[in-house]
Amino acid sequence: AQKVTQAQTEISVVEKEDVTLDCVYETRDTTYYLFWYKQPPSGELVFLIRRNSFDEQNEISGRYSWNFQKSTSSFNFTITASQVVDSAVYFCALSPNGAGSYQLTFGKGTKLSVIP
Amino acid sequence: EPEVTQTPSHQVTQMGQEVILRCVPISNHLYFYWYRQILGQKVEFLVSFYNNEISEKSEIFDDQFSVERPDGSNFTLKIRSTKLEDSAMYFCASSEGSGVGADTQYFGPGTRLTVL
Repeated sequence: AQKVTQAQTEISVVEKEDVTLDCVYETRDTTYYLFWYKQPPSGELVFLIRRNSFDEQNEISGRYSWNFQKSTSSFNFTITASQVVDSAVYFCALSPNGAGSYQLTFGKGTKLSVIP
Repeated sequence: EPEVTQTPSHQVTQMGQEVILRCVPISNHLYFYWYRQILGQKVEFLVSFYNNEISEKSEIFDDQFSVERPDGSNFTLKIRSTKLEDSAMYFCASSEGSGVGADTQYFGPGTRLTVL
């Protein structure tokens, strides 16, 4: 069984602060994929990043960065110099890598509020 | 940029009625999915569909649910006899089906189903 835990239910930061959203996962699979999605107040799910379990390099995309640590089963997401537009619910998700088995298991999400 | 579309955006129905939620996946994608999100909760997998048949389904996806690809573009979710607890946001998603691991799933804007 797969499980994703996002222990932070809600976080509030002041604009321009850095913020890290935590994600811890459980899986028995040796290969798997991890994802982050953003759900703004309008409700859609916006893809942010996909990472396979073979690749432990950290990734940076503009103000966003991700820290994948297989040893601690964590895939944390940092927003640098937060902006009001970053206010959203952020979901971490896990997918197995079995042939034809790609269902996403989501965490409960972290609601980020960026205060101007 | 190609995107997943869903209609209607909001559906209100009476308990016991049948509803059909419609989705148009991204045109060259081969895998299609339905997820649901009860208000304020996490996103849950319902079913995945590939090569005109269900490839995976969750415990939520019981006999009241069915999926169909009636033509080359649409992908539908039918709930035969709606219950109050079916009230949720229903998301359709699609992925390439590249055969190389779990591809990114791109989500539609969702259909909010309200069962009265």
